[in-house]
Amino acid sequence: AQSVSQHNHHVILSEAASLELGCNYSYGGTVNLFWYVQYPGQHLQLLLKYFSGDPLVKGIKGFEAEFIKSKFSFNLRKPSVQWSDTAEYFCAVNMGNDMRFGAGTRLTVKP
Amino acid sequence: ETGVTQTPRHLVMGMTNKKSLKCEQHLGHNAMYWYKQSAKKPLELMFVYSLEERVENNSVPSRFSPECPNSSHLFLHLHTLQPEDSALYLCASSLRRGGYNEQFFGPGTRLTVL
Repeated sequence: AQSVSQHNHHVILSEAASLELGCNYSYGGTVNLFWYVQYPGQHLQLLLKYFSGDPLVKGIKGFEAEFIKSKFSFNLRKPSVQWSDTAEYFCAVNMGNDMRFGAGTRLTVKP
Repeated sequence: ETGVTQTPRHLVMGMTNKKSLKCEQHLGHNAMYWYKQSAKKPLELMFVYSLEERVENNSVPSRFSPECPNSSHLFLHLHTLQPEDSALYLCASSLRRGGYNEQFFGPGTRLTVL
């Protein structure tokens, strides 16, 4: 079955710590990959996306993600988190015509 | 401001009520979507409209009825809902369906069914 898995449900970090959020998908065809963020009380917004080319993509606010095709993964990273990064992060994968989302990872950054 | 607006932002309804959710996009997109967001679950795709035609209905109960009168507007008509239907309902749009087309989301309608 086509699915997207985010293994971390809640991550708690201190400011300046490094972040890596996992995302794996199950689909054998061509994919387009996205990370969305939802800040408290706000709408879902795009952090970054991957379509082709360099598998390391950079997004807004210092985030980056790496597509590893052999591992069906698209992990999100940030070298040094800030309190303002507290939010829920969703991995999404366009599989053919359908975009499928993971369950989300809640990130809490302690000041 | 994402260009996708939703009204109302909050809705409380009884199980026998009929209500409608409205979504409007000002981005010139041709595809629109309804999602259900429940805590600790992936976003559930409910309906997809492409060029005003419904192209997907993910086994959604008939108590949810979508309507897309034009490419800028999308409605979700609600009738005799159940308490388990309480959730955040999100509308999204994209230039076209699928592929590399990112989706733009509205703020959602927080629905509570009593």
